[in-house]
Amino acid sequence: KQEVTQIPAALSVPEGENLVLNCSFTDSAIYNLQWFRQDPGKGLTSLLLIQSSQREQTSGRLNASLDKSSGRSTLYIAASQPGDSATYLCAVHTGGFKTIFGAGTRLFVKA
Amino acid sequence: GAGVSQTPSNKVTEKGKYVELRCDPISGHTALYWYRQSLGQGPEFLIYFQGTGAADDSGLPNDRFFAVRPEGSVSTLKIQRTERGDSAVYLCASKPTPSATGELFFGEGSRLTVL
Repeated sequence: KQEVTQIPAALSVPEGENLVLNCSFTDSAIYNLQWFRQDPGKGLTSLLLIQSSQREQTSGRLNASLDKSSGRSTLYIAASQPGDSATYLCAVHTGGFKTIFGAGTRLFVKA
Repeated sequence: GAGVSQTPSNKVTEKGKYVELRCDPISGHTALYWYRQSLGQGPEFLIYFQGTGAADDSGLPNDRFFAVRPEGSVSTLKIQRTERGDSAVYLCASKPTPSATGELFFGEGSRLTVL
């Protein structure tokens, strides 16, 4: 059974700091991995989608890497801003029809 | 539409009542998913539709939960005899095709509170 774990559960950093969020999954047989952002009381906004054949994806200040064999992904946020404060979720698609989510990392960027 | 639309955004009901939650996926998206998210947790899979049929309903917690998608577009999640434990945010997502490699797009969710 696929399980997704995100570490840390919560993170508080000063503005301008570079940071890394971690995601691990137990079954390496995935089709893709997707990182989402969720603001309080809101739905999920897709940030980056990495296919199983890819090693990384970049969008602006965000870079996500994927090491399928070790069951890990990282989301790197450069030069963090208070507007980056949100919960970040990773999700893996392992075939069938389900996408399995981690519990998220709650990020707070202090001005 | 431009994005996945869910109504109502908030629903407060009493224990034992019947509730319907609606999802309007992105136009042309054939794959539709329902998820449930409890406070502090990631979304949990409930059911997946490909077109009009439920291809996987293994995430529905019990027979009080049912979902339909009669015309392959709008979907309704129905909850009978609601219980306090059903309180959560119900999220809908869609994909252009059922491809395993496709990107999921989510709505804003329907927050259900059962008193």
